[in-house]
Formats: sequence, structure tokens, C-alpha cells
Amino acid sequence: QQQVKQSPQSLIVQKGGISIINCAYENTAFDYFPWYQQFPGKGPALLIAIRPDVSEKKEGRFTISFNKSAKQFSLHIMDSQPGDSATYFCAARGQAGTALIFGKGTTLSVSS
Amino acid sequence: SAVISQKPSRDICQRGTSLTIQCQVDSQVTMMFWYRQQPGQSLTLIATANQGSEATYESGFVIDKFPISRPNLTFSTLTVSNMSPEDSSIYLCSARTGGRAGELFFGEGSRLTVL
Repeated sequence: QQQVKQSPQSLIVQKGGISIINCAYENTAFDYFPWYQQFPGKGPALLIAIRPDVSEKKEGRFTISFNKSAKQFSLHIMDSQPGDSATYFCAARGQAGTALIFGKGTTLSVSS
Repeated sequence: SAVISQKPSRDICQRGTSLTIQCQVDSQVTMMFWYRQQPGQSLTLIATANQGSEATYESGFVIDKFPISRPNLTFSTLTVSNMSPEDSSIYLCSARTGGRAGELFFGEGSRLTVL
């Protein structure tokens, strides 16, 4: 119930392509779904987040798509660049005040 | 947003010793959390650091092993006690801004290696 399942574990995309990372959850009490980007040796950095009252949120090249009925959400990185090569974590949070639960992460490599 | 500073950034420790990690936030925050990230793995919540009261620990983590302090709204410490090689990991401090429903920010982490 408390898990967030993330796939794929790793992803290789050509420069300029679209990177897609998927997450699924079971707990319908989750109400906040952020994505974090982590570079080697650095802490995770908040990239973009969505709440379940909207189906999509876009910030620059990054878009979250949210499907409440399927309990799934995904991160799309448009025009992927080598600088996007990092590990991406999806996460979910239940009621306000509780901690985030993280997916296992996806290592993205964008080849030039 | 919040800027979170952790120290030490890395350390090599001997088995059986203890190490305290400090976390300083540049603004007052309502909630602070400590996570562990083993190399190449995801983030696992250790505990919620409560200001002025005992920390709330997740299953599998106990106060005797990971004592936590939070004396005010900008500072917290995590001690890893009686370390073993299995404790080799990255320990991450995080803080939530904007109230209980706000965004979560992370420090750069403290990489501990236990020999």
C-alpha cells in the first residue's frame, strides 16, 4: 500500500528524443506526487510536482502526466539533452505533514 | 526554497565508533526528515525530526542506533551509533518549506564509509 513502483530501472535516449519514466501507486490517500533529479554526489533536487486534481503539468521540457483512475503518473522529458543524464526518482505523499515515499529510481543516459 | 547544509560531507569511520551529522537550514522550517540512501539505491526514510520532542522513527530504525536531535526550527543532528560496515551509506537531511503541505528540499548528503 505504501509502495511507489517505478520503471524502467535504466533508460538510454538519443539526444533530442523523449524520455519517459513511469510510476504506479496503490494508496489512494496519496495527494502529492513530485519528481526529483539527482546527479552523482549531489542530493536530490525537486524537478516538478503534481497534485491529483490535474491531469498534466508542464514546466519547460518536463511534463508530468497523471492518471488518477489508473493510479499512475509519468515524467516526460522532451528534447532530452546530455545534461539531463541523471537518476530520477518519483515520490508520493499521503496526508500533509507526512514524509515522501520514493520509487527505486531510474538512471537516464542521454547519448550525444 | 531552502538551502540545506550538511556536515561532514563525507567521512571514513572505524567499526564500533559513532558519528554525528549536522544539518543546518537557512530558514525556519516546519518539518525535517532524515533519509538513508545506499549506493545506487533509493531513499529510505529513517525518521522525522520533531522540534522539541523525540523523533518519530520508521520501521527498522531505532533511537538507540540513530539518535536524532532537533533543538530549534533550523537545525538537526543525526548520530549513527556503534557503526558497522552495513551502515556505509549516504545520509540525507531534508526539510519542508511552506508548511506541512509544502515542498521537500534535500541537503547534499553525508557519505559515510565504515571500515
